[in-house]
Amino acid sequence: DTGVSQDPRHKITKRGQNVTFRCDPISEHNRLYWYRQTLGQGPEFLTYFQNEAQLEKSRLLSDRFSAERPKGSFSTLEIQRTEQGDSAMYLCASSWDSENIQYFGAGTRLSVL
Amino acid sequence: SQQGEEDPQALSIQEGENATMNCSYKTSINNLQWYRQNSGRGLVHLILIRSNEREKHSGRLRVTLDTSKKSSSLLITASRAADTASYFCATDRSGSARQLTFGSGTQLTVLP
Repeated sequence: DTGVSQDPRHKITKRGQNVTFRCDPISEHNRLYWYRQTLGQGPEFLTYFQNEAQLEKSRLLSDRFSAERPKGSFSTLEIQRTEQGDSAMYLCASSWDSENIQYFGAGTRLSVL
Repeated sequence: SQQGEEDPQALSIQEGENATMNCSYKTSINNLQWYRQNSGRGLVHLILIRSNEREKHSGRLRVTLDTSKKSSSLLITASRAADTASYFCATDRSGSARQLTFGSGTQLTVLP
């Protein structure tokens, strides 16, 4: 078990393009979270899965954002028609315990030119 | 939105000194957690304190919680250069869908 892994680590794209990020959580963890973090700020919640069910989405998650966790294992986050304001670090975390200690991946840094 | 504020935003100390960071939050919580983040990396869980606890220790870390003031503090004793990082408090709110709500963080620099 190597922890939570995210791919790619860095993504540079042009405005208007679509991008997709992948997160592989710790294998026995049933909960998976996506957060967005901008420079100098703490992570902001985007969405949450318990197994394959997407149980909550933040108001930050516009219609251009979609996330899936098809078999309750890995998850993907897609951003359509990227905008410069989407530039940020996208963090994935997983957890399983009742106290909700979360284990984070190293993140995907998105730069929209 | 960010749950709370952290104070100070930045802190610079000499190796061996103690570092204290404060966190305030707004809503009822199940627990409050502290995480550390090295530059450009993911967050690492440090310590958790439950809403019915007032103080907790783990190694060189001491965390306090005052639910009446909705505030917490993290003390790092005998700091080392390797402690240089950003530190975030995060609240697991009562009745929430288990998302964590993070503060804005304190950037700690420990000078050798």
